[in-house]
Amino acid sequence: AQSVTQPDIHITVSEGASLELRCNYSYGATPYLFWYVQSPGQGLQLLLKYFSGDTLVQGIKGFEAEFKRSQSSFNLRKPSVHWSDAAEYFCAVGTMNTGFQKLVFGTGTRLLVSP
Amino acid sequence: DVKVTQSSRYLVKRTGEKVFLECVQDMDHENMFWYRQDPGLGLRLIYFSYDVKMKEKGDIPEGYSVSREKKERFSLILESASTNQTSMYLCASSFRDGSGGYTFGSGTRLTVV
Repeated sequence: AQSVTQPDIHITVSEGASLELRCNYSYGATPYLFWYVQSPGQGLQLLLKYFSGDTLVQGIKGFEAEFKRSQSSFNLRKPSVHWSDAAEYFCAVGTMNTGFQKLVFGTGTRLLVSP
Repeated sequence: DVKVTQSSRYLVKRTGEKVFLECVQDMDHENMFWYRQDPGLGLRLIYFSYDVKMKEKGDIPEGYSVSREKKERFSLILESASTNQTSMYLCASSFRDGSGGYTFGSGTRLTVV
């Protein structure tokens, strides 16, 4: 069965420092991969997605992610974190089920930003 | 601006009540989903629908049902609410092939007392 692992439950980063959030997936075919962000009390917002092609994808708010097939990973990065980036981040893998796509989500990583 | 709208942000219901959570999308998406979100468990899929009047069970359908009479509307029904259904409920929609990912509503925080 498809699965997504986000090994870090919480991460604290100083404002201005770089960020990397880890995501590993298990899926037999070529995956569709996504990162979402959730601010407190809100729904999820799509940050970026990977379907095919260039393995380094750019998203909104200065985020990027790199797909590494050999490591089954899709880590999220940002070179300089802002206090407003404090939120929960979810990685997801898209699976095809009889021509219909369903997302499987990781359990999330909560990012705290210290002054 | 395209949207998924959930009818209530907060709900408080009594044990045994029948509860309706409504979700409407204006993006002409074929697929709609209901998730519940609990701390430490992430998002768990309750039900989804890929067409009008079609529904499929997700990972945790027990205690829930759904209705999709129109393309833009997907309702989640708690037939007899219980305290273990206290949670954040998130509705989402997408195109059939998933292009563009999912668009989520803002969520409904349901408390069953």
